[in-house]
Amino acid sequence: EVQLVESGGGLVKPGGSLRLSCVASGFSFWNYSMNWIRQTPGGGLEWVASLSRRDNRIFYADSVKDRFIISRDNARNSLFLQMNSLRVEDTAIYYCTRGSQETVMISDVWGQGTLVIVST
Amino acid sequence: DIVMTQSPDSLAVSLGGRATINCESSESLFYSSNNKDYLAWYQQRPGRPPKLLIYWASTREFGVPDRFSGSGSATNFTLTITNLQAEDVAVYFCQQYYFTPRTFGQGTRVEVK
Repeated sequence: EVQLVESGGGLVKPGGSLRLSCVASGFSFWNYSMNWIRQTPGGGLEWVASLSRRDNRIFYADSVKDRFIISRDNARNSLFLQMNSLRVEDTAIYYCTRGSQETVMISDVWGQGTLVIVST
Repeated sequence: DIVMTQSPDSLAVSLGGRATINCESSESLFYSSNNKDYLAWYQQRPGRPPKLLIYWASTREFGVPDRFSGSGSATNFTLTITNLQAEDVAVYFCQQYYFTPRTFGQGTRVEVK
């Protein structure tokens, strides 16, 4: 079964840091681009970051650039998101998603999500 | 960033009925070189992550029932659900992937009347 399982969310104060992890199973992780997409408390979806499958090209949303770092460990079938200088507006459910082989810009597999709350 | 606007925000449909959701893009999503529209639809059931339904505006993802269909081109798109089932109660999102960053509509909630 194709599966993505996120962990690492929690409550953090503004300015703090968190590291999210996503473990993949059921497919050749190394052969897919991977993403983080978040869902705000209001229900909107926002793409956060992407990491290509081969040449490790990295892309960030402007809202997280210079604060978040996406990385992967193909040997451990894992995707990570290091989140620094967190802001209240980063509060969201963070989903790990797989880029489709049809086009990497759509997500054909989603994890269950991990909740990040940034609050005093 | 490209703005995706869905309408309506919510709708109630009888079981067995038809639901029609619209999605408008602030820029054309049609690429003439490959004759494709860079538009996807997702379904998010309560308490669940989004699920890919349709891409290239009208291609159903493997395993998606044929009561779900996508249509439209350029800046105006439609997701139609025919013969609505109870399990179709969800929020539906459109997403453009022609421009970076990819952006989503605000979502349309479908309920049973």
